[in-house]
Amino acid sequence: NAGVMQNPRHLVRRRGQEARLRCSPMKGHSHVYWYRQLPEEGLKFMVYLQKENIIDESGMPKERFSAEFPKEGPSILRIQQVVRGDSAAYFCASSPGFGNEKLFFGSGTQLSVL
Amino acid sequence: GESVGLHLPTLSVQEGDNSIINCAYSNSASDYFIWYKQESGKGPQFIIDIRSNMDKRQGQRVTVLLNKTVKHLSLQIAATQPGDSAVYFCAEPAGTSYGKLTFGQGTILTVHP
Repeated sequence: NAGVMQNPRHLVRRRGQEARLRCSPMKGHSHVYWYRQLPEEGLKFMVYLQKENIIDESGMPKERFSAEFPKEGPSILRIQQVVRGDSAAYFCASSPGFGNEKLFFGSGTQLSVL
Repeated sequence: GESVGLHLPTLSVQEGDNSIINCAYSNSASDYFIWYKQESGKGPQFIIDIRSNMDKRQGQRVTVLLNKTVKHLSLQIAATQPGDSAVYFCAEPAGTSYGKLTFGQGTILTVHP
Protein backbone atom coordinates (compact mmCIF):
# COMPACT_ATOMS: atom_id res chain seq x y z
CA ASN A 1 0.00 0.00 0.00
CA ALA A 2 1.91 2.99 -1.31
CA GLY A 3 1.93 6.16 0.72
CA VAL A 4 1.29 9.65 -0.53
CA MET A 5 3.27 10.09 -3.74
CA GLN A 6 4.56 13.45 -4.85
CA ASN A 7 6.46 14.32 -7.97
CA PRO A 8 8.76 15.67 -8.92
CA ARG A 9 10.93 15.58 -5.81
CA HIS A 10 12.92 18.54 -7.02
CA LEU A 11 11.79 21.18 -9.48
CA VAL A 12 13.89 24.04 -10.79
CA ARG A 13 12.21 26.92 -12.57
CA ARG A 14 13.30 30.30 -13.80
CA ARG A 15 11.38 33.39 -12.81
CA GLY A 16 8.23 33.75 -14.86
CA GLN A 17 7.86 30.05 -15.67
CA GLU A 18 5.08 27.79 -14.45
CA ALA A 19 5.48 25.08 -11.82
CA ARG A 20 3.17 22.07 -11.63
CA LEU A 21 3.37 19.86 -8.58
CA ARG A 22 1.58 16.54 -8.46
CA CYS A 23 0.22 14.52 -5.59
CA SER A 24 -1.37 11.09 -5.56
CA PRO A 25 -3.07 10.42 -2.21
CA MET A 26 -2.93 7.14 -0.39
CA LYS A 27 -5.25 4.49 -1.75
CA GLY A 28 -8.72 5.00 -0.39
CA HIS A 29 -8.11 8.60 0.66
CA SER A 30 -10.40 11.21 -0.82
CA HIS A 31 -9.16 14.30 1.00
CA VAL A 32 -6.01 16.14 -0.06
CA TYR A 33 -4.20 19.00 1.62
CA TRP A 34 -1.31 21.12 0.38
CA TYR A 35 1.18 22.74 2.74
CA ARG A 36 4.19 24.97 2.12
CA GLN A 37 7.35 25.01 4.21
CA LEU A 38 9.87 27.80 4.06
CA PRO A 39 13.40 27.19 5.44
CA GLU A 40 13.48 26.76 9.21
CA GLU A 41 9.74 27.27 9.50
CA GLY A 42 6.80 25.05 10.21
CA LEU A 43 4.37 23.99 7.57
CA LYS A 44 1.71 26.47 6.48
CA PHE A 45 -1.66 25.28 5.24
CA MET A 46 -2.51 26.27 1.70
CA VAL A 47 -5.57 24.42 0.44
CA TYR A 48 -7.91 21.52 1.20
CA LEU A 49 -9.55 19.61 -1.62
CA GLN A 50 -11.87 16.70 -2.12
CA LYS A 51 -12.53 15.09 -5.47
CA GLU A 52 -13.51 17.86 -7.91
CA ASN A 53 -14.06 20.35 -5.08
CA ILE A 54 -12.02 22.98 -3.32
CA ILE A 55 -13.15 22.93 0.29
CA ASP A 56 -10.87 25.53 1.85
CA GLU A 57 -8.33 27.68 0.02
CA SER A 58 -7.82 30.25 2.76
CA GLY A 59 -4.06 29.67 2.78
CA MET A 60 -3.53 30.14 -0.94
CA PRO A 61 -1.97 33.35 -2.21
CA LYS A 62 -4.59 35.35 -4.10
CA GLU A 63 -2.72 35.38 -7.37
CA ARG A 64 -0.72 32.89 -9.44
CA PHE A 65 -1.57 29.85 -7.29
CA SER A 66 -4.27 27.32 -8.06
CA ALA A 67 -5.06 23.76 -7.09
CA GLU A 68 -7.26 21.00 -8.38
CA PHE A 69 -8.14 17.43 -7.55
CA PRO A 70 -9.91 15.97 -10.58
CA LYS A 71 -12.17 12.97 -10.59
CA GLU A 72 -9.39 10.96 -12.18
CA GLY A 73 -5.70 11.50 -11.64
CA PRO A 74 -3.54 13.26 -9.10
CA SER A 75 -4.05 16.54 -7.35
CA ILE A 76 -2.15 19.39 -8.98
CA LEU A 77 -0.76 22.52 -7.36
CA ARG A 78 0.00 25.06 -10.06
CA ILE A 79 2.09 28.16 -9.65
CA GLN A 80 2.13 30.56 -12.56
CA GLN A 81 4.87 33.11 -13.24
CA VAL A 82 7.01 31.89 -10.37
CA VAL A 83 9.10 34.32 -8.36
CA ARG A 84 12.07 33.66 -6.09
CA GLY A 85 9.86 33.93 -3.02
CA ASP A 86 7.98 30.83 -4.18
CA SER A 87 11.08 28.72 -3.48
CA ALA A 88 10.04 26.31 -0.75
CA ALA A 89 9.16 22.73 0.00
CA TYR A 90 5.59 21.89 -0.90
CA PHE A 91 3.99 18.97 0.90
CA CYS A 92 0.84 17.13 0.10
CA ALA A 93 -1.10 15.17 2.69
CA SER A 94 -4.12 12.95 2.44
CA SER A 95 -6.69 11.59 4.83
CA PRO A 96 -9.55 9.12 4.56
CA GLY A 97 -12.12 11.71 5.59
CA PHE A 98 -15.46 10.57 6.98
CA GLY A 99 -14.47 11.58 10.52
CA ASN A 100 -10.89 10.30 10.25
CA GLU A 101 -8.71 13.26 9.46
CA LYS A 102 -5.33 11.85 10.47
CA LEU A 103 -2.95 13.19 7.86
CA PHE A 104 -0.34 11.21 5.98
CA PHE A 105 2.28 13.35 4.28
CA GLY A 106 4.25 12.81 1.12
CA SER A 107 7.97 13.47 0.85
CA GLY A 108 7.40 16.85 -0.72
CA THR A 109 8.52 18.75 -3.80
CA GLN A 110 11.41 21.14 -3.35
CA LEU A 111 10.83 24.07 -5.70
CA SER A 112 13.79 26.26 -6.51
CA VAL A 113 13.26 29.43 -8.52
CA LEU A 114 16.34 30.85 -10.19
CA GLY B 1 16.70 25.95 24.12
CA GLU B 2 15.29 29.37 23.34
CA SER B 3 14.53 30.56 19.86
CA VAL B 4 16.09 33.75 18.59
CA GLY B 5 15.04 35.33 15.34
CA LEU B 6 14.60 32.67 12.70
CA HIS B 7 16.55 29.97 14.51
CA LEU B 8 14.60 26.94 15.69
CA PRO B 9 14.89 25.80 19.29
CA THR B 10 17.39 22.99 19.62
CA LEU B 11 17.82 20.12 22.00
CA SER B 12 20.94 17.99 22.13
CA VAL B 13 20.97 14.78 24.12
CA GLN B 14 23.10 11.69 24.53
CA GLU B 15 21.88 8.36 23.28
CA GLY B 16 19.88 6.65 25.99
CA ASP B 17 18.79 9.85 27.70
CA ASN B 18 15.18 10.92 27.89
CA SER B 19 14.16 13.91 25.78
CA ILE B 20 11.45 16.46 26.49
CA ILE B 21 10.24 18.75 23.73
CA ASN B 22 7.86 21.55 24.60
CA CYS B 23 5.17 23.40 22.74
CA ALA B 24 2.89 26.28 23.69
CA TYR B 25 -0.41 26.72 21.92
CA SER B 26 -2.59 29.80 21.78
CA ASN B 27 -6.14 28.64 21.14
CA SER B 28 -7.77 27.63 24.41
CA ALA B 29 -10.65 26.10 22.43
CA SER B 30 -8.38 23.58 20.69
CA ASP B 31 -9.50 20.04 21.44
CA TYR B 32 -6.96 17.98 19.54
CA PHE B 33 -3.17 18.06 19.29
CA ILE B 34 -0.67 16.12 17.26
CA TRP B 35 3.09 15.66 17.30
CA TYR B 36 4.95 15.16 14.04
CA LYS B 37 8.54 14.16 13.36
CA GLN B 38 10.27 15.45 10.25
CA GLU B 39 13.57 14.00 9.15
CA SER B 40 15.77 15.85 6.70
CA GLY B 41 14.38 15.70 3.18
CA LYS B 42 11.17 13.98 4.22
CA GLY B 43 7.61 14.89 4.99
CA PRO B 44 6.21 15.04 8.52
CA GLN B 45 5.49 11.70 10.11
CA PHE B 46 2.70 11.27 12.65
CA ILE B 47 4.00 10.32 16.11
CA ILE B 48 1.16 10.62 18.59
CA ASP B 49 -1.99 12.62 19.20
CA ILE B 50 -4.06 13.61 22.21
CA ARG B 51 -7.54 14.97 22.73
CA SER B 52 -8.26 17.72 25.22
CA ASN B 53 -10.22 15.42 27.52
CA MET B 54 -6.94 13.68 28.37
CA ASP B 55 -3.86 14.89 30.25
CA LYS B 56 -1.51 12.17 29.15
CA ARG B 57 -1.19 9.61 26.42
CA GLN B 58 1.50 7.02 25.93
CA GLY B 59 2.81 5.36 22.82
CA GLN B 60 5.86 3.30 22.11
CA ARG B 61 8.73 5.17 23.85
CA VAL B 62 6.78 8.43 23.56
CA THR B 63 4.44 10.20 25.95
CA VAL B 64 2.48 13.36 25.31
CA LEU B 65 1.42 15.54 28.21
CA LEU B 66 -1.23 18.22 27.94
CA ASN B 67 -1.62 21.05 30.43
CA LYS B 68 -4.70 22.98 29.43
CA THR B 69 -4.35 25.46 32.28
CA VAL B 70 -1.19 26.96 30.83
CA LYS B 71 -1.83 25.83 27.25
CA HIS B 72 1.28 23.71 27.12
CA LEU B 73 2.05 20.46 25.37
CA SER B 74 5.13 18.29 25.75
CA LEU B 75 6.54 15.25 24.02
CA GLN B 76 8.70 12.92 26.03
CA ILE B 77 10.91 10.41 24.25
CA ALA B 78 12.34 7.65 26.40
CA ALA B 79 15.77 6.15 25.78
CA THR B 80 16.44 8.48 22.87
CA GLN B 81 18.19 6.92 19.90
CA PRO B 82 20.21 8.47 17.05
CA GLY B 83 17.30 7.65 14.74
CA ASP B 84 15.17 10.06 16.76
CA SER B 85 17.23 12.99 15.47
CA ALA B 86 14.80 15.16 13.55
CA VAL B 87 12.68 18.29 13.78
CA TYR B 88 9.60 17.84 15.96
CA PHE B 89 6.45 19.87 15.43
CA CYS B 90 3.32 20.17 17.48
CA ALA B 91 0.16 20.93 15.56
CA GLU B 92 -3.48 21.72 16.23
CA PRO B 93 -6.52 22.05 13.98
CA ALA B 94 -6.99 25.54 12.60
CA GLY B 95 -10.66 25.14 11.93
CA THR B 96 -13.43 22.61 11.82
CA SER B 97 -11.42 20.25 9.64
CA TYR B 98 -8.78 18.31 11.54
CA GLY B 99 -6.75 18.17 8.36
CA LYS B 100 -6.22 21.93 8.31
CA LEU B 101 -3.46 22.21 10.87
CA THR B 102 -1.51 25.04 12.43
CA PHE B 103 2.05 23.89 13.05
CA GLY B 104 4.40 25.18 15.71
CA GLN B 105 7.81 26.41 14.69
CA GLY B 106 9.51 23.12 15.50
CA THR B 107 12.36 21.91 17.70
CA ILE B 108 15.53 20.35 16.36
CA LEU B 109 16.48 17.24 18.31
CA THR B 110 20.04 15.98 17.92
CA VAL B 111 20.99 12.70 19.53
CA HIS B 112 24.68 12.02 20.01
CA PRO B 113 25.88 8.41 20.10
